[in-house]
Formats: sequence, C-alpha cells, structure tokens
Amino acid sequence: GAVVSQHPSRVICKSGTSVKIECRSLDFQATTMFWYRQFPKKSLMLMATSNEGSKATYEQGVEKDKFLINHASLTLSTLTVTSAHPEDSSFYICSARVGAQGYTFGSGTRLTVV
Amino acid sequence: GQQVMQIPQYQHVQEGEDFTTYCNSSTTLSNIQWYKQRPGGHPVFLIQLVKSGEVKKQKRLTFQFGEAKKNSSLHITATQTTDVGTYFCAEQGAQKLVFGQGTRLTINP
Repeated sequence: GAVVSQHPSRVICKSGTSVKIECRSLDFQATTMFWYRQFPKKSLMLMATSNEGSKATYEQGVEKDKFLINHASLTLSTLTVTSAHPEDSSFYICSARVGAQGYTFGSGTRLTVV
Repeated sequence: GQQVMQIPQYQHVQEGEDFTTYCNSSTTLSNIQWYKQRPGGHPVFLIQLVKSGEVKKQKRLTFQFGEAKKNSSLHITATQTTDVGTYFCAEQGAQKLVFGQGTRLTINP
C-alpha cells in the first residue's frame, strides 16, 4: 500500500533553534500533503495544506512565518518549525490522500523544545 | 466551519464487551471516514462511508452511516486488547479532512 515516510520520529531541540520535519511519499506521487498537529489525548488539528510547486495554504491561526512549509517535489514535503519555543512541543503528522478515498499518514514527529 | 462531534470522549470496557462510538453533525455529511490511532502511533485508515444508510463490516467492526447522512457509528463486538486506541471519525470536505474529537478506548483484560 501507499506509504508516507516521516522523519525524524523524535527530536529534542533548544529554544530558539529551528527544526525541519520531512515527509516523503514512497511509492506514489503526492501533489498535496497535509500537516497536522496533535496535543496529548486530543484530536488532529490541520495546520496547513502543502501544494507541490506552489505556496502552502495555512489554516486560520497558524503562523506562516513560524511553520514554514516547502513542497519542492511530488514526493517530498517539509515543515520547518522556526525559532522553536516550549509551546511548540507537540506531535506533528503529515498525510497524503491516496486514490479516491482514505488518507495515509506518516508515523509522526514528537517535538520537544527545551 | 464544518464540525463533527464525536462521543464518548473515553470508554473503558472489559475485554469481551462491546464498544460503540458515535459521530454527529448538524449538517449533511458528504462522506465519513474512520481512523484508528494506537497509543503513540499514527492514524490508520479503516473505512469510508458514502451512501445514506450504508453499513459495512470488517470482522468484528461494524460501521454505519445514518439515513440522513448526519451521523455515523463504529461498533466493535467482543473487544480484544488489540482494539485499544483512539477511534476518529472524519469528514472529507472540499479540500481537507476534518476530524472528530476521537474516542479513546481502553480495555481491561
């Protein structure tokens, strides 16, 4: 089946630094990828929609300059958390739509900012 | 915007008991998808329902879509410890997937 590979799975960084998260579609082309954020025991909140070759579409309340999204190819989308702070600590997950139904998700990145 | 309300938030059962989670919307849903997320894991697609009154089964799991397409349910018969996790319903909107709040299922073996 379609697989989205997400890296890293865990990252700990210092406040003020930036962290890049990658999502790759391994056996299919994803013109669109979706980035979610999930707090402990909560639902998935869509942050932005990543479009290959064009600007990402951000959800209301999500800072574009804080969460930089790049979708440079049909198989790679990246999310960079810039100048990270402890409140950015969360579980970040990407996903891509596969065929006419269903989405496949990356394994997620647990970010801890200290 | 579109909101899908999901209940209950938590459910704890004895192994072997049945479990049901419900999703409701104030407006007609174009479709409903169900996902399972194991503790520490990522959501995994289970099924999509599109037709009014649709019922689909996957082994011990039964998925229903209401006649009015405003509600859906997931029922697990005779739960097993492998069923532990959070079950999410989600609607595929025009451009994105909108998730319900999820029901976290824990099981006492």
